[in-house]
Amino acid sequence: GQNIDQPTEMTATEGAIVQINCTYQTSGFNGLFWYQQHAGEAPTFLSYNVLDGLEEKGRFSSFLSRSKGYSYLLLKELQMKDSASYLCAAFTGGGNKLTFGTGTQLKVEL
Amino acid sequence: KAGVTQTPRYLIKTRGQQVTLSCSPISGHRSVSWYQQTPGQGLQFLFEYFSETQRNKGNFPGRFSGRQFSNSRSEMNVSTLELGDSALYLCASTGGGVGKNEQYFGPGTRLTVT
Repeated sequence: GQNIDQPTEMTATEGAIVQINCTYQTSGFNGLFWYQQHAGEAPTFLSYNVLDGLEEKGRFSSFLSRSKGYSYLLLKELQMKDSASYLCAAFTGGGNKLTFGTGTQLKVEL
Repeated sequence: KAGVTQTPRYLIKTRGQQVTLSCSPISGHRSVSWYQQTPGQGLQFLFEYFSETQRNKGNFPGRFSGRQFSNSRSEMNVSTLELGDSALYLCASTGGGVGKNEQYFGPGTRLTVT
């Protein structure tokens, strides 16, 4: 079966760095997505990792280890607007099917 | 380039009725995937259409169906609505091609079943 785990909630301070972890057990794994979703809005694409390693995109970075079934999203210089749900999703191929975790609700405080 | 559009944005239906939701992908994208999002279950995959063919299907009852037209626009239909079908229905379009698997979501249709 498909299983994706991520913490339910995290709290961090404005200006700080936060790391959101995601572990997965899936069949036919082809890559790992991260999305950001603000309350009442659609998910917006943040990153897509296929190969092991770190990919940096501005304040956001994403890491993947295929052998460990592990990924993380790193957010630097946190801003209040980063308060949102962060969704980890495994791309399992056989078409464009994504299996999502339940999301990590990040709260950024002053 | 215009993003993914979904209509209607909000819908209220009664148990037993049926509903049709529409999704227009990003221009040039040929794959459309549908997801259901609820507070309890999160985002769950319904099905995916590519070139008018259903390519993948999630674990939903047969009341949930879809189709795709030659212009890549897609519709999903839910028949005999149940209270538990109240959810945000999201569609996502994918460009396809090597290394181009990013899925971009539309704003969603919020369905309330009373």
